[in-house]
Amino acid sequence: AQTVTQSQPEMSVQEAETVTLSCTYDTSESDYYLFWYKQPPSRQMILVIRQEAYKQQNATENRFSVNFQKAAKSFSLKISDSQLGDAAMYFCAYRSPTDSWGKLQFGAGTQVVVTP
Amino acid sequence: NAGVTQTPKFRILKIGQSMTLQCTQDMNHNYMYWYRQDPGMGLKLIYYSVGAGITDKGEVPNGYNVSRSTTEDFPLRLELAAPSQTSVYFCASSYVAPGRETQYFGPGTRLLVL
Repeated sequence: AQTVTQSQPEMSVQEAETVTLSCTYDTSESDYYLFWYKQPPSRQMILVIRQEAYKQQNATENRFSVNFQKAAKSFSLKISDSQLGDAAMYFCAYRSPTDSWGKLQFGAGTQVVVTP
Repeated sequence: NAGVTQTPKFRILKIGQSMTLQCTQDMNHNYMYWYRQDPGMGLKLIYYSVGAGITDKGEVPNGYNVSRSTTEDFPLRLELAAPSQTSVYFCASSYVAPGRETQYFGPGTRLLVL
């Protein structure tokens, strides 16, 4: 079974600065899907960004971008120009294409604290 | 679209009581999931369903039951509640097709078993 590791329990960033969250995963598959979800204090899980492993180009969504290093099995999330509303727990998740049920494997999460 | 809705938002149960957590989605997704999130932890899959009448166990199914009689609804049943079931429960739904595999989550139900 695949495992997803987020080694940073908490990261702090000042408004307008940049923060990078790390995520590594263990898999023997060559194709798969990776996701970053945001969970604000409201507890709602919100999709931030997704990456398909067969695409070499790193995904970008506005101020959020990823650094996908397939050989290193690394999938970091960069938040640029951080805003107070970015404060949340961020989860990395993996989905196998061979899993016809679409199940996700989540990491333990990284708490992002944004200071004025 | 309301997306994925869950009720109740919060509930306190006594040990041994039973309850049903409701989940409804209006996106016509065929796949639905139930997760639990313990404090400071990631989400763990309890049960999932690929359509009406078809369900299967996830990683942590003990103490729970599900049913799926319609595409829209996927209730989670807790029988004989235990303190170990104190958690936040999330329902999610998705398609499972290339490019459409994103899961959409409900707002969660916080359950406290005392």
